[in-house]
Amino acid sequence: EIVLTQSPGTLSLSPGERATLSCRASQNVNSIYLAWYQHKPGQAPRLLLYGVSSRATGIPDRFSGSGSGTDFTLTINRLEPEDFAVYYCQQYGSSPLTFGQGTQVDIK
Amino acid sequence: QVQLVESGGGVVQPGRSLRLSCAASGFSFSNYGMHWVRQAPGKGLEWVAVIFHDESNIYYADSVKGRFTISRDTSKNTLYLQMNSLRAEDTAVYYCARDGAVAHIYWYFDLWGRGTLVTVSS
Repeated sequence: EIVLTQSPGTLSLSPGERATLSCRASQNVNSIYLAWYQHKPGQAPRLLLYGVSSRATGIPDRFSGSGSGTDFTLTINRLEPEDFAVYYCQQYGSSPLTFGQGTQVDIK
Repeated sequence: QVQLVESGGGVVQPGRSLRLSCAASGFSFSNYGMHWVRQAPGKGLEWVAVIFHDESNIYYADSVKGRFTISRDTSKNTLYLQMNSLRAEDTAVYYCARDGAVAHIYWYFDLWGRGTLVTVSS
């Protein structure tokens, strides 16, 4: 099973700043099968990116993804107030699919 | 409105059963594979089960295999999760989620519900 480790656990930033979230896999993720989700308390999780860097429908271009192999990054440029949430990475290239433990992006 | 709404959660004793439902609306339910994903208190997300759009394939996480059954009723646009022999470690918020592919399975989730809480406790 591929273990995904996200860092940092919590990121405290101000609106307008850039957020850089890391997702490191315990072994190579098959091809480009990595996704990112945003989750706010009491709400449905939302798909942000799939295939490492493809934005889901309706996702603004301030969200971008990069990486390959075992190291992946979600970048949020110019944080908006609605971006403060928990972010999860997920690999779906190997069975079983697995999620990271999440990074909380807090308002500083 | 494109949405998924889960129901059926609650408090149940260990060893008992519970059935969760997920009502889909606003899209062609029969064209999509559907998943259940859960999140235990203070823990990360865990994939539970998938049923293909045409019910040709069903897969389970090892942690629930033999105890949980995923099914769907296309006439009612509803996904189900029958949970038997429940354990304390099954306590979690259960989400239904739509697969990101049409008539295929990509194993990521492009639409989620808000979840329903299942608490297994005596």
